[in-house]
Amino acid sequence: SQTIHQWPATLVQPVGSPLSLECTVEGTSNPNLYWYRQAAGRGLQLLFYSVGIGQISSEVPQNLSASRPQDRQFILSSKKLLLSDSGFYLCAWSLMDEQYFGPGTRLTVT
Amino acid sequence: QKEVEQNSGPLSVPEGAIASLNCTYSDRVSQSFFWYRQYSGKSPELIMSIYSNGDKEDGRFTAQLNKASQYVSLLIRDSQPSDSATYLCAVNPYNNNDMRFGAGTRLTVKP
Repeated sequence: SQTIHQWPATLVQPVGSPLSLECTVEGTSNPNLYWYRQAAGRGLQLLFYSVGIGQISSEVPQNLSASRPQDRQFILSSKKLLLSDSGFYLCAWSLMDEQYFGPGTRLTVT
Repeated sequence: QKEVEQNSGPLSVPEGAIASLNCTYSDRVSQSFFWYRQYSGKSPELIMSIYSNGDKEDGRFTAQLNKASQYVSLLIRDSQPSDSATYLCAVNPYNNNDMRFGAGTRLTVKP
């Protein structure tokens, strides 16, 4: 069966600091991978998706970037965090159109 | 107009009752529809997918789709306190990577 991991689970970072969130998927090959952000009390916002190694599509222009160095690894990064980057970051995978979410990383920018 | 609209709630039902959650979407060409359950502080969990008009049943859950009315609903029979969560409706208009999510309906099942 497929498993998706995210770490860290929680993170508190000061404004202007860098960010690196990691997501890995087990039990499947060549999945589509996604990064979403969910602000408090709001819906899910798609940030990036990837259909293969090195292939990244950005949905929202911002100070975040994503990379996919391996088939089942997806990384979300920022060089300088903003207060507005606070939220619940979710990684998801799919093979067809059903998407399955990881446990998430709760980021607080102070 | 939002692409996927849900009543934010809260929707409160007594234990054992039927909970009815509704969702409308704006893109008429949408083909794939999903319901996710999200407990407080946790990530969304896929509970139902539906692709054709009509009803689809899975245990206590029934998804209903009406493409002509651009409407999808989720019924939860014999509601339990453990069903208390936020339910997200999601629509994939073009069967690609562009899933659109509603803001969710918060359901509370009272013992």
